[in-house]
Amino acid sequence: NAGVTQTPKFQVLKTGQSMTLQCAQDMNHNSMYWYRQDPGMGLRLIYYSASEGTTDKGEVPNGYNVSRLNKREFSLRLESAAPSQTSVYFCASIETGGPYEQYFGPGTRLTVT
Amino acid sequence: QQQVKQSPQSLIVQKGGISIINCAYENTAFDYFPWYQQFPGKGPALLIAIRPDVSEKKEGRFTISFNKSAKQFSLHIMDSQPGDSATYFCAANMDSNYQLIWGAGTKLIIKP
Repeated sequence: NAGVTQTPKFQVLKTGQSMTLQCAQDMNHNSMYWYRQDPGMGLRLIYYSASEGTTDKGEVPNGYNVSRLNKREFSLRLESAAPSQTSVYFCASIETGGPYEQYFGPGTRLTVT
Repeated sequence: QQQVKQSPQSLIVQKGGISIINCAYENTAFDYFPWYQQFPGKGPALLIAIRPDVSEKKEGRFTISFNKSAKQFSLHIMDSQPGDSATYFCAANMDSNYQLIWGAGTKLIIKP
């Protein structure tokens, strides 16, 4: 039981490049989330998926797109990376129906130059 | 109304002391208040959580105190140890909405 896995762990992009961050969970959770974490700003929700086939914007969705590929996988895409997207990205999942504990992946540290 | 305000931003405590981190919220519809612990290079992990029908919850050295009338809740770490050095986040949500509203985090350093 691996929990929530994320790839890659580290990535350096040049401005304007695109990339997809991958997330998978093996806990049969319905809801999945993408956050970014910046110093002094806590965790900010980018997008979430309450269930397979649905996605919704969070607090900071601009510049990102997501795909809920199936119940296990939820990917985050940066179409044209900008230096402001330099951050640590976390994927999380939750068991709907309670007790609402979010399980986090190890994170992806992204640098955009 | 959706914010959760956390203080202090950073905290240094001597080994064996009590660490106290505070959070305040506005939305009275919140009914679930978790604390998460994050070590460097790792994702956050649930430490302890409380519902507003109780004023205190204790798990080992960690206690949440909840004041519904003041719309505040706090984390107390008793007999703080160097291994407790981490960033702590408070959060809040409503059962009907699976989104957590996060505090900004407190970096706790326990000095040996």
